[in-house]
Amino acid sequence: KAGVTQTPRYLIKTRGQQVTLSCSPISGHRSVSWYQQTPGQGLQFLFEYFSETQRNKGNFPGRFSGRQFSNSRSEMNVSTLELGDSALYLCASSLVRTGAYEQYFGPGTRLTVT
Amino acid sequence: DAKTTQPNSMESNEEEPVHLPCNHSTISGTDYIHWYRQLPSQGPEYVIHGLTSNVNNRMASLAIAEDRKSSTLILHRATLRDAAVYYCILRPHGSSNTGKLIFGQGTTLQVKP
Repeated sequence: KAGVTQTPRYLIKTRGQQVTLSCSPISGHRSVSWYQQTPGQGLQFLFEYFSETQRNKGNFPGRFSGRQFSNSRSEMNVSTLELGDSALYLCASSLVRTGAYEQYFGPGTRLTVT
Repeated sequence: DAKTTQPNSMESNEEEPVHLPCNHSTISGTDYIHWYRQLPSQGPEYVIHGLTSNVNNRMASLAIAEDRKSSTLILHRATLRDAAVYYCILRPHGSSNTGKLIFGQGTTLQVKP
């Protein structure tokens, strides 16, 4: 079974631009969560989607948004990029939304904002 | 959100067992204890999880204290490939926060040949 895939793997953008990252969960998984990882803040939760609805959101500004499609694939968007948005963005999928199930992470998208 | 406390770093010799501790004194009755690890330049990888009883899988064992306020991840024979940051996380069951993993700083495990 294929794992979580994220595209693109690497991205370089200029301050002020916007970016869209894509995540394809493991087949059959319906929950998708997004995380940001930086050297200073570590791994921080961005948001979670289940059945095309955002179920939870972390403490990030409104420039960060996401959505989930009917096939469970998810995208996240960051508008008006700032230098501080440079990070590794990770997507994780889970079969369902319970603590009894684990999350499986993708390899991440490395975003560099110049 | 219930928090966990782990040592910042640990060292182990190759082929010896490693016991990685985690304290979670504010755990609630419906919180599952999850462990993930992150190898350099990779996304986190699921290791093991449990609720009350000890758990074993091909990667590791999880020993949970009777009062559930602490747990220990056991790598039976450490290899160089086990050098990673290990995260102990509480994941609520049946809660609106269940999809939100709260990562602490984790324990950086160094394995010496």
